[in-house]
Amino acid sequence: DAGVTQSPTHLIKTRGQQVTLRCSPKSGHDTVSWYQQALGQGPQFIFQYYEEEERQRGNFPDRFSGHQFPNYSSELNVNALLLGDSALYLCASIPMNSGANVLTFGAGSRLTVL
Amino acid sequence: DAKTTQPPSMDCAEGRAANLPCNHSTISGNEYVYWYRQIHSQGPQYIIHGLKNNETNEMASLIITEDRKSSTLILPHATLRDTAVYYCIVRVANTDKLIFGTGTRLQVFP
Repeated sequence: DAGVTQSPTHLIKTRGQQVTLRCSPKSGHDTVSWYQQALGQGPQFIFQYYEEEERQRGNFPDRFSGHQFPNYSSELNVNALLLGDSALYLCASIPMNSGANVLTFGAGSRLTVL
Repeated sequence: DAKTTQPPSMDCAEGRAANLPCNHSTISGNEYVYWYRQIHSQGPQYIIHGLKNNETNEMASLIITEDRKSSTLILPHATLRDTAVYYCIVRVANTDKLIFGTGTRLQVFP
């Protein structure tokens, strides 16, 4: 049973560029959340998608946007990249309306902005 | 802001119990306490969670004080593979949103 898979694992961009990160949730999961983890910090919640809509959002600017597809996979898009966007981006999935609310995380996509 | 505070680092001898404390003095009555750990370069891994009763699973035990203002994660027999950053997290009520702090870096030594 595959867990949460993310791609790419590593990528390098320059300031001002745009990036798209991808996530496939664990089998049986229909809700996807994205987190940003700066070096030495804990993950910070970006947003959550369910039924192809953004349901919750953390304190991130509009440069961060997402999408969820009918097969429950998701993309995170970041526009106008800043040096401070360099981080590990984590995707997590969960079955909606799950009483246990246990998120399963992927290994992340490490973004470096030069 | 994180709703939990943890010591930045701890050491534990292999085979001994590791007791990781966490303070969450502002926790609300319907907010759960979750513990995750993160081994270097991997995503966070779920360990255990609880509301007000003590919990135990195959990985660990969670002891929550009666006033729910603090908790302790217990790894009964720590191994070298338990070396990781351990996060104590309060889940925001009625959401799946987790608010992480900076965690405790546990170093298990031989």
